[in-house]
Amino acid sequence: GNSVTQMEGPVTLSEEAFLTINCTYTATGYPSLFWYVQYPGEGLQLLLKATKADDKGSNKGFEATYRKETTSFHLEKGSVQVSDSAVYFCALIITQGGSEKLVFGKGTKLTVNP
Amino acid sequence: ETGVTQTPRHLVMGMTNKKSLKCEQHLGHNAMYWYKQSAKKPLELMFVYNFKEQTENNSVPSRFSPECPNSSHLFLHLHTLQPEDSALYLCASSLRAAEQPQHFGDGTRLSIL
Repeated sequence: GNSVTQMEGPVTLSEEAFLTINCTYTATGYPSLFWYVQYPGEGLQLLLKATKADDKGSNKGFEATYRKETTSFHLEKGSVQVSDSAVYFCALIITQGGSEKLVFGKGTKLTVNP
Repeated sequence: ETGVTQTPRHLVMGMTNKKSLKCEQHLGHNAMYWYKQSAKKPLELMFVYNFKEQTENNSVPSRFSPECPNSSHLFLHLHTLQPEDSALYLCASSLRAAEQPQHFGDGTRLSIL
């Protein structure tokens, strides 16, 4: 079936550290891939997306590249800030049974300390 | 401010109570969603409405009853819930079903006693 696997959290980093949150997927067909972010006490917000192989999504210093050969969409940021503390969700959208479904990973909690 | 407002933000109820969660969006979207977010589990899609019609029920128990009177409002009626139903319930909307991005509300934190 279609699924998304994220690295287990929580992840704790110091400010200005490099961030990688791994995400791999299993899907029939060619999904679009997304990263959502959930700040404390809030709902999810779309952070970035990629719709085809080798696309790179980027936003707010975060990047992720759609790697079809490794079925991955790892999230990276070169220098994290305290304000990046949140839960990050990898997701894919796949067409199934004539309708499109959004499938989320379990989320990875990131804490950035000053 | 995401344009999607959920009320109440917090709700504590007993297993025999009946309550409703409300979601409202003023984004001109035509699709609305209910999600359940439990600790250490993937976000679970519960229901999808597209142009007021329910297009998806993801095997949700009948103690959860959605209602979509118009494209801007979505309700989730709750009755005889179980302790395992305690979770954060998120509402989202998008221009059309399954289109991205989905805009999420801040959620209702539900606790079942």
